[in-house]
Amino acid sequence: KQEVTQIPAALSVPEGENLVLNCSFTDSAIYNLQWFRQDPGKGLTSLLLIQSSQREQTSGRLNASLDKSSGRSTLYIAASQPGDSATYLCAVPSGNTPLVFGKGTRLSVIA
Amino acid sequence: NAGVTQTPKFRILKIGQSMTLQCAQDMNHNYMYWYRQDPGMGLKLIYYSVGAGITDKGEVPNGYNVSRSTTEDFPLRLELAAPSQTSVYFCASSTDRGGGYTEAFFGQGTRLTVV
Repeated sequence: KQEVTQIPAALSVPEGENLVLNCSFTDSAIYNLQWFRQDPGKGLTSLLLIQSSQREQTSGRLNASLDKSSGRSTLYIAASQPGDSATYLCAVPSGNTPLVFGKGTRLSVIA
Repeated sequence: NAGVTQTPKFRILKIGQSMTLQCAQDMNHNYMYWYRQDPGMGLKLIYYSVGAGITDKGEVPNGYNVSRSTTEDFPLRLELAAPSQTSVYFCASSTDRGGGYTEAFFGQGTRLTVV
């Protein structure tokens, strides 16, 4: 059974810092890995999708990497801003199982 | 671009009542999913469908039913509401381009309280 873990559970940083969020998964037989953002009381917004054959994917100040063999992904956020404050979730589908989610990292960027 | 639309956004039910959470997508996605999100517990898969007429149980299906008569719609039915079903429910969809699941898109959620 696929299990996804995200560390840390919460993170508070001053504005302008670069930061890394971590995601690990137990079953490396994945199709892809998806990072989402969730604002309080809102739905999930897709940030990045990394295919299993890719090592990284970039969108603006966000860069996600994938090391399938070690079961790890990182989301790098450059020059953080208060507007980046949200919960960040990673999720993987594997086998016949749709997305399995981690519990998320709650990020606060302090101005 | 509507994407995935869920109705209602909020609902309060009394114990034992029934209701249907509606979900519709306009992206012609063949895969659709229902998740529930409880504080500190992450998102848990309730049911999913890989196409019209095909549904399958997820991790937490008890107390729920689904049907998929069209590609666009995937309603979730609660027959006898219980306090344990107080949660935020999310519907999502994606497609399969021959390489497994692709990018999933989520609705804005339905916040359900059972009292």
